[in-house]
Amino acid sequence: SQQGEEDPQALSIQEGENATMNCSYKTSINNLQWYRQNSGRGLVHLILIRSNEREKHSGRLRVTLDTSKKSSSLLITASRAADTASYFCATDAFGGSGNTPLVFGKGTRLSVIA
Amino acid sequence: DGGITQSPKYLFRKEGQNVTLSCEQNLNHDAMYWYRQDPGQGLRLIYYSQIVNDFQKGDIAEGYSVSREKKESFPLTVTSAQKNPTAFYLCASTRGLAGTSTDTQYFGPGTRLTVL
Repeated sequence: SQQGEEDPQALSIQEGENATMNCSYKTSINNLQWYRQNSGRGLVHLILIRSNEREKHSGRLRVTLDTSKKSSSLLITASRAADTASYFCATDAFGGSGNTPLVFGKGTRLSVIA
Repeated sequence: DGGITQSPKYLFRKEGQNVTLSCEQNLNHDAMYWYRQDPGQGLRLIYYSQIVNDFQKGDIAEGYSVSREKKESFPLTVTSAQKNPTAFYLCASTRGLAGTSTDTQYFGPGTRLTVL
């Protein structure tokens, strides 16, 4: 079962533009994480936002969380060709103290054209 | 890739054969996970383990088996019962137990399995 669903499935932008990806989820969560995957590689953690936070920044990354809408967005500013990758959101499956692993969405494939 | 190694990087198997994918971590993490990823798709959980000699099925455990005899090792066997095993397999670990959702998952580089 997949808790998060990213939108769009694929995104193509020019270098220097901003890229926005969205994630919607179904049940209450404690935290939401974003990961990046370069083609044919493992995932790398980017940022974690807690359910009581609304916005978080890390370098060129900005993540927002709207628990009332059960959605999050990842913004990459001033994109570079090296940002080309797939981006996944991941949530815990239950809102309480559930003892289960993170659940990943299907990802957004970002292509940044130089 | 965060102290997790997977081998081999590419693996070819004939139909009807079992094959074992290796996953080792030197992070002293308690929990380890196996995911399957198909082209253009997300990650689906196969099995996970929170402590030595214990593991739980994920969403798609049928046709797979695992063992956790050592904290640092979590091999995955793809059996002949798995009907469509061609995929990219990712191993991951977390410092704490599964469900400690503030924990970051560290991933290995993956093994691409192709059934001929």
